[in-house]
Amino acid sequence: EVRLVQSGAEVNKPGESLRISCQGSGYSFTSYWITWVRQMPGKGLEWMGNIDPSDSYTKYSPSFQGHVTISVDKSISTVYLQWSGLKASDTALYYCARHMDSSSWYAALDNWGQGTLVTVSS
Amino acid sequence: EIVLTQSPGTLSLSPGERATLSCRASQSISISYLAWYQQKRGQAPRLLIYGTSSRAAGIPDRFSGSGSGTDFTLTISRLEPEDCAVYFCQQYGNSPLTFGGGTKVEIK
Repeated sequence: EVRLVQSGAEVNKPGESLRISCQGSGYSFTSYWITWVRQMPGKGLEWMGNIDPSDSYTKYSPSFQGHVTISVDKSISTVYLQWSGLKASDTALYYCARHMDSSSWYAALDNWGQGTLVTVSS
Repeated sequence: EIVLTQSPGTLSLSPGERATLSCRASQSISISYLAWYQQKRGQAPRLLIYGTSSRAAGIPDRFSGSGSGTDFTLTISRLEPEDCAVYFCQQYGNSPLTFGGGTKVEIK
């Protein structure tokens, strides 16, 4: 069974750094791209960026480029989403999701993590 | 960036009725790269349809997708109470990947 398990909810202050994680299991981890999606309270889905775990190649949405960093640790089948200076507007639910087709960026998202709620408040 | 506009915003129907959800793109999309997701309250999204019309694993055949160019449709042929959710379309043929704003389906 394919599973993506995300780290738990976080509460942070503006300006702080944060890293959340997404661990894959049940499949060949390095063969499938992973995407991060933001969902602000009561709103829709926004693509943030994605990573090829085989070589760490990343692609970012212009809306998030420079504000977040996506990385991977293949040894533990885990992808990360990181901020170096949180803002209150980063308060949202963050999902990781696997691309459906092996080694393809051009694929639908067939397996999703359970989501990580990030709250940024002073 | 390809903008996806979904309509209607909310659809309120009775069990057994047919639901037709629209997704319109700001520019033409290959049929290979259009997906639909279902998100129930408090849950992660679930892939329903990919490549415009292919059902994902385990998705009932009352869900179907169609369309081409800039106009795509998700049809739920006979609504069931468990279909109460928000439905999002997504294009994945161009960067940035984009999602529509969603259609909320309510069951009367």
